[in-house]
Amino acid sequence: QKEVEQDPGPLSVPEGAIVSLNCTYSNSAFQYFMWYRQYSRKGPELLMYTYSSGNKEDGRFTAQVDKSSKYISLFIRDSQPSDSATYLCAMSENQGGKLIFGQGTELSVKP
Amino acid sequence: GAGVSQSPSNKVTEKGKDVELRCDPISGHTALYWYRQRLGQGLEFLIYFQGNSAPDKSGLPSDRFSAERTGESVSTLTIQRTQQEDSAVYLCASSQYGPREQYFGPGTRLTVT
Repeated sequence: QKEVEQDPGPLSVPEGAIVSLNCTYSNSAFQYFMWYRQYSRKGPELLMYTYSSGNKEDGRFTAQVDKSSKYISLFIRDSQPSDSATYLCAMSENQGGKLIFGQGTELSVKP
Repeated sequence: GAGVSQSPSNKVTEKGKDVELRCDPISGHTALYWYRQRLGQGLEFLIYFQGNSAPDKSGLPSDRFSAERTGESVSTLTIQRTQQEDSAVYLCASSQYGPREQYFGPGTRLTVT
């Protein structure tokens, strides 16, 4: 069993839809939770960062962490075609340490 | 300022050959990470350098893989006697303030024929 599980999709939604992306994990020592966006043939770029449990909002993006359930989510409101990319969750036990990534979910937002 | 750069962007090599991949981190970043991304997969941690501390090599898949970093500058990842399963994109990231600040380069796409 992988430490971090993520549904690979692909996920296709119409423009304007609300998108929900999720990851589950098994390591209770994870404290830092991140979402990265990766366009084709590019390196990942950091979207959201959360420490421990709770919610964080940034524009159209909301990240949620539920450590009791070992479950994290990323919500995208009013999705746009430019949001079409692969979304990767990543986690770490401590600052400065290695990141453990999910498999990535490929998202396509259709105009 | 300049981001993380990697070279070459693409590398095709024959099975059994050695390859060297290069990463130039963002100036002033003390931490440097190497990850591997196989087709359709997430990133797999390989090795991590932090300042003058001993590197965390726990992700290297075999002794054919090694990496070096001189001070807080360039790093090279070397794969000896390449195998077809080594085909992947090798990504480098650098950081100054911990994992939430990891900035990734564009990667080197390695194909072993």
